[in-house]
Amino acid sequence: KQEVTQIPAALSVPEGENLVLNCSFTDSAIYNLQWFRQDPGKGLTSLLLIQSSQREQTSGRLNASLDKSSGRSTLYIAASQPGDSATYLCAVETTDSWGKLQFGAGTQVVVTP
Amino acid sequence: GAGVSQSPSNKVTEKGKDVELRCDPISGHTALYWYRQRLGQGLEFLIYFQGNSAPDKSGLPSDRFSAERTGESVSTLTIQRTQQEDSAVYLCASSPDRSSGNTIYFGEGSWLTVV
Repeated sequence: KQEVTQIPAALSVPEGENLVLNCSFTDSAIYNLQWFRQDPGKGLTSLLLIQSSQREQTSGRLNASLDKSSGRSTLYIAASQPGDSATYLCAVETTDSWGKLQFGAGTQVVVTP
Repeated sequence: GAGVSQSPSNKVTEKGKDVELRCDPISGHTALYWYRQRLGQGLEFLIYFQGNSAPDKSGLPSDRFSAERTGESVSTLTIQRTQQEDSAVYLCASSPDRSSGNTIYFGEGSWLTVV
């Protein structure tokens, strides 16, 4: 059974610092990995989707890497802003569980002005 | 609408009552999902619809839970004889044909409180 772990569970940084969020998964037979952002009382917003054949994806200040062999993905957020405060979730879809995203518990990020 | 729409946004119900939660996916999206998130916990997969294929119901926690989808449009999640442990936010999501590994888009959820 696929297990997804996110470390750290919570993170607080001053504005301007770079953020590094980690996600690990136990089954490397993944179809894709997706990073989401969740704001309090809101649904999830997709940030980046990495297909299993890709090593990284970039969007603006966000960069996500994927290392299937070691079962890891890292989300980098450059020059953090208070508006980046949210919970960040990673989710994997394995090749034998089509359509079922397995989510990590998330990393709660606070960026202080 | 531009995004996934869910209703009601909030629902308080008495234990033992039935509830229906509705999801309108993004137009043209053939895949539709329901997830549940209990307070302070991660997201749990409930059910997945893909086009006209039989839905994957493997995540439904008990036979009190059921879901339907009309063609490639609206879906309804029904919880019968609600229990306090059913209190959670129920999130619906949709995506284009999953065979191409497209991004999944979530609605803002239906917050259910069973008292």
